[in-house]
Amino acid sequence: AQSVTQLDSQVPVFEEAPVELRCNYSSSVSVYLFWYVQYPNQGLQLLLKYLSGSTLVESINGFEAEFNKSQTSFHLRKPSVHISDTAEYFCAVNTGGYQKVTFGTGTKLQVIP
Amino acid sequence: GAGVSQSPSNKVTEKGKDVELRCDPISGHTALYWYRQSLGQGLEFLIYFQGNSAPDKSGLPSDRFSAERTGGSVSTLTIQRTQQEDSAVYLCAGNTGYGTGELFFGEGSRLTVL
Repeated sequence: AQSVTQLDSQVPVFEEAPVELRCNYSSSVSVYLFWYVQYPNQGLQLLLKYLSGSTLVESINGFEAEFNKSQTSFHLRKPSVHISDTAEYFCAVNTGGYQKVTFGTGTKLQVIP
Repeated sequence: GAGVSQSPSNKVTEKGKDVELRCDPISGHTALYWYRQSLGQGLEFLIYFQGNSAPDKSGLPSDRFSAERTGGSVSTLTIQRTQQEDSAVYLCAGNTGYGTGELFFGEGSRLTVL
């Protein structure tokens, strides 16, 4: 079985400040890791993913996440947030094959002007 | 279609009534998933389809919930005798059924049971 833990339900941060959203997972096998973002009144969309290779992955809008196998973490970071980053962020994991994707409980990022 | 389409986008119903929620996935996406999103609960897996069959129904919370898929495309999630605790956003997602598991989501159906 696999599980995902997002300890922070809400993270307020001032505009242009850095942010880190934490994600830890558990699995007995190799995993694929994802961050999805949900903007207000919209569905979820993929932000970035780790499949294999380089442990640091980046999105087109400045977010990055680093896969740390020893700490079973996949934290999401951005060095300088914008108002438009206000959204809920979900960490997710699956093991490939039949892909029952398991999601965390989400972290609401509130960017304060 | 170009994206995952879900209907209705909003549904308000009275306790005890039946509701049907529809999902039309992206063309060619043989795998289809239903999730439920409740406040503070994250995304709760309900059921997974591969083609028209449902190899994993483990997330359906009770026998009041059922889902079917026809023609390897449109899926309907039915909730009978709705209860207030069924109030949530029901999300549909799909993918090609192999590979890395990236999901393509619809915008959801918000169900409110009065």
